[in-house]
Amino acid sequence: EAGVTQSPTHLIKTRGQQATLRCSPISGHTSVYWYQQALGLGLQFLLWYDEGEERNRGNFPPRFSGRQFPNYSSELNVNALELEDSALYLCASSARLAGITDTQYFGPGTRLTVL
Amino acid sequence: AQSVAQPEDQVNVAEGNPLTVKCTYSVSGNPYLFWYVQYPNRGLQFLLKYITGDNLVKGSYGFEAEFNKSQTSFHLKKPSALVSDSALYFCAVRDKANNNDMRFGAGTRLTVKP
Repeated sequence: EAGVTQSPTHLIKTRGQQATLRCSPISGHTSVYWYQQALGLGLQFLLWYDEGEERNRGNFPPRFSGRQFPNYSSELNVNALELEDSALYLCASSARLAGITDTQYFGPGTRLTVL
Repeated sequence: AQSVAQPEDQVNVAEGNPLTVKCTYSVSGNPYLFWYVQYPNRGLQFLLKYITGDNLVKGSYGFEAEFNKSQTSFHLKKPSALVSDSALYFCAVRDKANNNDMRFGAGTRLTVKP
C-alpha cells in the first residue's frame, strides 16, 4: 500500500513569491492535514481538510491557504512568502471523518526555502 | 488548554541499555496520546497510541509506552536500545475539547551509542 506522497521534495522561492505544495493521501483516506516544522519550533498545525472542506485551521495568517480535491489530494498555497516561512511542510492523512482516535500517517515532507 | 511537554531535548543511551523518552500532557478531557519517530530528512512514522484500556501500549520496533493518569505521563520505553533507534521522537495529544487537533511536543533527540 502506497503511503502519503508529497511533491516537490524541495522548493526554493524568493521573498514575495507564491509556493504551491501538493499531497496525495493514502488510498481510502479522506482527511488531510498540513503541518509546518520550522527549525526550533517543532510541528505546528496548519490546516485540516476532510471531504473537500476545511475543518480546522491553526494559528497562521490567511496567506496560508489550501484546498482538497475530489480525489482527496490536497494543495497548500503560501502567498507573499517571507523568510520565516522556510520550513519542512508535512502532510498527513487519516481515515474517513477522522475520529479523535484515528492515526495520522505522514508523508516525507516538502522542504521550502525562501531566499 | 491542551498541551504536551517533552522535558528532555536530548537523551543519550548506550546500545543494549533500556531507554526512556519522557512525555507529559495536559488536557481538559480524556487524552488520546501518540508517539511518532522522525529520521533525518524523513516524515514522521507512527509508533503507537493510547486510546483506552491497558495502560501499557506496545508499538512498532519493540517500543512501548506506559500511560499514567495520576502523573499525566506517557513515557516511551524500549528494553534494549539499538544504534538504529537514534532519531527525533515526538509525543502528541488529541482532545475533543480542541476540535480533535493534534498537538505535538517539541521533540526529543535520542542518540544511541555503540
